[in-house]
Amino acid sequence: EAGVTQFPSHSVIEKGQTVTLRCDPISGHDNLYWYRRVMGKEIKFLLHFVKESKQDESGMPNNRFLAERTGGTYSTLKVQPAELEDSGVYFCASSQGGTGGEQYFGPGTRLTVT
Amino acid sequence: AQKVTQAQTEISVVEKEDVTLDCVYETRDTTYYLFWYKQPPSGELVFLIRRNSFDEQNEISGRYSWNFQKSTSSFNFTITASQVVDSAVYFCALRGDSWGKFQFGAGTQVVVTP
Repeated sequence: EAGVTQFPSHSVIEKGQTVTLRCDPISGHDNLYWYRRVMGKEIKFLLHFVKESKQDESGMPNNRFLAERTGGTYSTLKVQPAELEDSGVYFCASSQGGTGGEQYFGPGTRLTVT
Repeated sequence: AQKVTQAQTEISVVEKEDVTLDCVYETRDTTYYLFWYKQPPSGELVFLIRRNSFDEQNEISGRYSWNFQKSTSSFNFTITASQVVDSAVYFCALRGDSWGKFQFGAGTQVVVTP
């Protein structure tokens, strides 16, 4: 069974540009989570989808971040326009069933904004 | 509010030494889960262990062992006879039973030199 996949693995963009990160969860997993680790700091929660609905987006830093989950399958996280402080590693995780289910993390996307 | 504290930013050891990583947590939930993840230089998050709040039994898995003490709200992790491949950032994380998102600690960088 394929795990959680993320694309791209690494993105380097200039300040002010737009970047879209993609996450494909494990097939059948209703829950999808986005997290971010800024250099040297803790991994912080961004938001949680249940199928195509946003269950909790309390961690989204500002309105430059837009997350979508088309048809309850893959999810995208768009940053527009990107700022220097958006640099970090963006992780996606998915789980089956209720909120207590085991979460499986993807390999992460390393975003560098110059 | 939930909080996870990993006070050790970096620990450097020589191969074959033991290393203990501290994790202290705060939560008002009566049911919760504690986790340890390893992030090697390649960047992905590798699941190591999950404990629920009702199971205070210590656990050993090969060279890894975990000490969970509810009385001190701690969930410490020990690597015995460290190896160079243990070099990584280690994250402690907390998740409540009623909410899906993780609360991560800041991580501890472990450097094992030959």
